[in-house]
Amino acid sequence: DAEITQSPRHKITETGRQVTLACHQTWNHNNMFWYRQDLGHGLRLIHYSYGVHDTNKGEVSDGYSVSRSNTEDLPLTLESAASSQTSVYFCASSDSAGGYTGELFFGEGSRLTVL
Amino acid sequence: AQTVTQSQPEMSVQEAETVTLSCTYDTSESDYYLFWYKQPPSRQMILVIRQEAYKQQNATENRFSVNFQKAAKSFSLKISDSQLGDAAMYFCAYAGNTPLVFGKGTRLSVIA
Repeated sequence: DAEITQSPRHKITETGRQVTLACHQTWNHNNMFWYRQDLGHGLRLIHYSYGVHDTNKGEVSDGYSVSRSNTEDLPLTLESAASSQTSVYFCASSDSAGGYTGELFFGEGSRLTVL
Repeated sequence: AQTVTQSQPEMSVQEAETVTLSCTYDTSESDYYLFWYKQPPSRQMILVIRQEAYKQQNATENRFSVNFQKAAKSFSLKISDSQLGDAAMYFCAYAGNTPLVFGKGTRLSVIA
């Protein structure tokens, strides 16, 4: 069955370190997204991509970067981790074309703790 | 920018009873989609129901139904015959010409 997987599921790191969260989907979806979930804030969009070599900033993109070299993967990089980036991170994908992103299919989330 | 507001941070319901979760949104677009997602303690995000703005008929999925009021920009979720497994965070979400925008969520407790 097609799926979307995130790794690692849990990670603890130190302030200032570079961290990369992986996201891999086998749905062959064009659209991929990264959200962070924090208590009292719901899910907020970090970055998204509508296809290979396309990336766009979301609402809370500062301190994060993404690159899309193939259809299946959208890794999220924290260049220099900060305690404010302690959160649960969700990757998602959808298969609609154009601006409408449609129903999202979510990974299981990655809990990141920055000490 | 589009915004989604869920005014009830927490709700509770007795098992087998009916509960309604509220959601309002703000947009200048005429064509869009609205969603309710459920997040149980497992953290998995599960689509509950979807409504297309151009459809006047309210969407229904088994015990879940919505009351979509386009002019009022309101999109409430009704859960009938509540079950213990319905206990979760529920997120309302809007999708137009931008990626999904989520509300802050409503935590639903189900009392046996």
